[in-house]
Amino acid sequence: AQTVTQSQPEMSVQEAETVTLSCTYDTSESDYYLFWYKQPPSRQMILVIRQEAYKQQNATENRFSVNFQKAAKSFSLKISDSQLGDAAMYFCAYRSAYTSGSARQLTFGSGTQLTVLP
Amino acid sequence: DAGITQSPRHKVTETGTPVTLRCHQTENHRYMYWYRQDPGHGLRLIHYSYGVKDTDKGEVSDGYSVSRSKTEDFLLTLESATSSQTSVYFCASREIDNSPLHFGNGTRLTVT
Repeated sequence: AQTVTQSQPEMSVQEAETVTLSCTYDTSESDYYLFWYKQPPSRQMILVIRQEAYKQQNATENRFSVNFQKAAKSFSLKISDSQLGDAAMYFCAYRSAYTSGSARQLTFGSGTQLTVLP
Repeated sequence: DAGITQSPRHKVTETGTPVTLRCHQTENHRYMYWYRQDPGHGLRLIHYSYGVKDTDKGEVSDGYSVSRSKTEDFLLTLESATSSQTSVYFCASREIDNSPLHFGNGTRLTVT
């Protein structure tokens, strides 16, 4: 079974600065997807960014980018020019590219609570 | 998000009572999921469905059952609620295997 580990339960960043959230995962599969979700106090789960394992290029979405290291099984999220609205719980998640049975599910890490300081 | 509605948004119930949580989606998504969120555990899959009347267990399915009689509705039932089932429950849906997962806004369930 796949596991996802977020070793930083809490982090803080000064407004306008850059912060990196860490995520590692364990899998024996070669093809999969990785995700970062944001959960603000409203509880809504918002997809921030997605990475396909077969793509070497790191995904980028505006101020959000990832550092995907497949051999190291590492998938960190970098937030540039942090804004107060970035304050939230961030979850890293894994999904197999194989489509049978429970492989369709997302496996989540335990989350990192990000505080943005004004 | 993607027309997913969960009801109720909050519920307090007593140990031993049955509870049903409802998830309704208007996107005609094939796949639907129930997760629970607990501190230190992230979200864990309870049950999922890959079509009407087709459901399967996730990693934390004990004490829960589901039903999907229509594409748009996915019900989660706690037959006899226990305090360990106090949690925030999320429903999610997806159109096809490689499409993004869309979440409802969650139900906070407290079992006293």
